Amino acid sequence: NAGVTQTPKFRVLKTGQSMTLLCAQDMNHEYMYWYRQDPGMGLRLIHYSVGEGTTAKGEVPDGYNVSRLKKQNFLLGLESAAPSQTSVYFCASSQDHPSSYNEQFFGPGTRLTVL
Amino acid sequence: TQLLEQSPQFLSIQEGENLTVYCNSSSVFSSLQWYRQEPGEGPVLLVTVVTGGEVKKLKRLTFQFGDARKDSSLHITAAQPGDTGLYLCAGAGNQFYFGTGTSLTVIP
Repeated sequence: NAGVTQTPKFRVLKTGQSMTLLCAQDMNHEYMYWYRQDPGMGLRLIHYSVGEGTTAKGEVPDGYNVSRLKKQNFLLGLESAAPSQTSVYFCASSQDHPSSYNEQFFGPGTRLTVL
Repeated sequence: TQLLEQSPQFLSIQEGENLTVYCNSSSVFSSLQWYRQEPGEGPVLLVTVVTGGEVKKLKRLTFQFGDARKDSSLHITAAQPGDTGLYLCAGAGNQFYFGTGTSLTVIP
């Protein structure tokens, strides 16, 4: 079991460029999440998905889009990168709804720098 | 707006000392989780507390959920260098809400 994997691990973009971050999980989890982590701010939820074909906005969705065409994959897109999107991005998955006392499993993160 | 505030933000102690980290909120959560994150890795779950007033122990770590299910604490007894890391609390509601984090360094 690989758990949750993320690609790429590092990326440098210029302002205005676009990119897609890929998250994959092999635990057959229904819920998947994208977070960003900035110093002193913990983890903030960008978008999440409660199942294949569904997506929903989290706390900080502006400037990002997501898609979940397959249950095991959750993609995060930046259409026009801005320096404010410089951050470490984490993908996570859980079997069920957060209120069901589920554990989230996290990927290793993607460090993105926007110049 | 951060729903969960952790204190202290940074903590540096000598090996063998005790410490407490606090996670406070004005919101009620169905459960509260504590995660530990090491540099270059994702957070890993330590414990989930569900009932108000609940206390859970994990070796030298003691976790408590407040009676009103709004706050929690993590107490480490006789800290060791292997405890070094970023500790995050997360409240569960319609989504997970993470705290601001406490960066702990245990000096040998």
